[in-house]
Parts: sequence; C-alpha cells; structure tokens
Amino acid sequence: KAGVTQTPRYLIKTRGQQVTLSCSPISGHRSVSWYQQTPGQGLQFLFEYFSETQRNKGNFPGRFSGRQFSNSRSEMNVSTLELGDSALYLCASSLSGGVRAFFGQGTRLTVV
Amino acid sequence: EDKVVQSPLSLVVHEGDTVTLNCSYEVTNFRSLLWYKQEKKAPTFLFMLTSSGIEKKSGRLSSILDKKELFSILNITATQTGDSAIYLCAVEAPSVSNYQLIWGAGTKLIIKP
Repeated sequence: KAGVTQTPRYLIKTRGQQVTLSCSPISGHRSVSWYQQTPGQGLQFLFEYFSETQRNKGNFPGRFSGRQFSNSRSEMNVSTLELGDSALYLCASSLSGGVRAFFGQGTRLTVV
Repeated sequence: EDKVVQSPLSLVVHEGDTVTLNCSYEVTNFRSLLWYKQEKKAPTFLFMLTSSGIEKKSGRLSSILDKKELFSILNITATQTGDSAIYLCAVEAPSVSNYQLIWGAGTKLIIKP
C-alpha cells in the first residue's frame, strides 16, 4: 500500500511569508505527527493529530499550527516565516499514535 | 526534563568494521525505546525495545536495552557502505493525553569503502 506522502518536497519562501505543508498518511492510519529536523538537533516534535483533534503539542510558538481532515490528511501552517524555520519537516503516521510510526520523505523548507 | 542523548554524534569507519552506537535517556515513565535509520529523508524503523537484556537482531544489526543503567546500544557488524546513514534513537514517554516520542540528535555514520 502507498506510504506517507508529503507535498511539496522542496519549498523556498521569503521571511515574513506563510507556508502550508501537506501530509497524506498511510490508508487506515488515524494519527499524524509533525516534526522539525535541523542539523544537530534531531527531530523536534511539533504536534500530533488524531481523528481531526490535536492530541499533543510540542514547544513551538503559535506561528506553527496544523489541522487534520476527516480523511486523516493533515496540513501544517507556519506564519510569519523566520530564517530559523529553515528545516526538514517530517510527518509520520500510525494507526493510533506512538510507536512504529511511518515517515514521509519530508518537505525541505528554505527561508531566505 | 526528559531527554535522550546519542553518542557519538558522528563516526567514520571503514567497510567491514564493527560499530557500536549509544543512546542514553532520562525519561519519566519509560515505555519503550526505538531505533530508526535515516538514509536520505524518511527515517525507517529498525527496532523497538521494551525489556532489559533481550537482544533484538536483524541481519548484521542488533540492539539491546539496559533499563537499570538507562541506555541502549545499536551494533552493526561487517559494515557496508549502504549502512551509511543517520541513526536515530527515540524513547516513548507519556504526554498529556497519550504517549509521544522523545528523540535524540542522531549519530551520523559514514562507512568508507
């Protein structure tokens, strides 16, 4: 079956702009988690959605938001982009959350 | 504050060598520890460990957990260039409404031919 699909794969934005990233989970998976990965920092947890509800949230400013639709697809939005937001954004899906998450290929966001 | 620390941060070895990657953790109410391999972008699952002293093995890779000393190791024997990747360790810990994964910074492994 199809894996986790993230779009777009690459994105270049200017400071102050906003961006929306999309994640389509594996069919049947209801949990989608988002992570930010920067060199040397590992994966930093942004938030998790389960059945259209945000279930967990990491320590990121309110500029980072997300939502999940009834088909479990999820979007992440970052407003007022800063240079420090340049990173690889990964989403992971699982049946109900937690372990054995399957990751997408990520969206590489560059803010200039 | 819960944390997961991996060492070394980077490692360069020659093909055929054996490597040991370390992951230590300080996590309240530990539930499980997971290892992932990240070759290009998408991390892929390797092992999940929940019990101390029980080795998980898959081909040339093996991992073991020590819950008393709060660490895990990932061993790779007879390394190949295809083993070059970032190896990530994560610990499952409770959150407000469920469990979440706390990630280490990763070990970047480079295998030279």
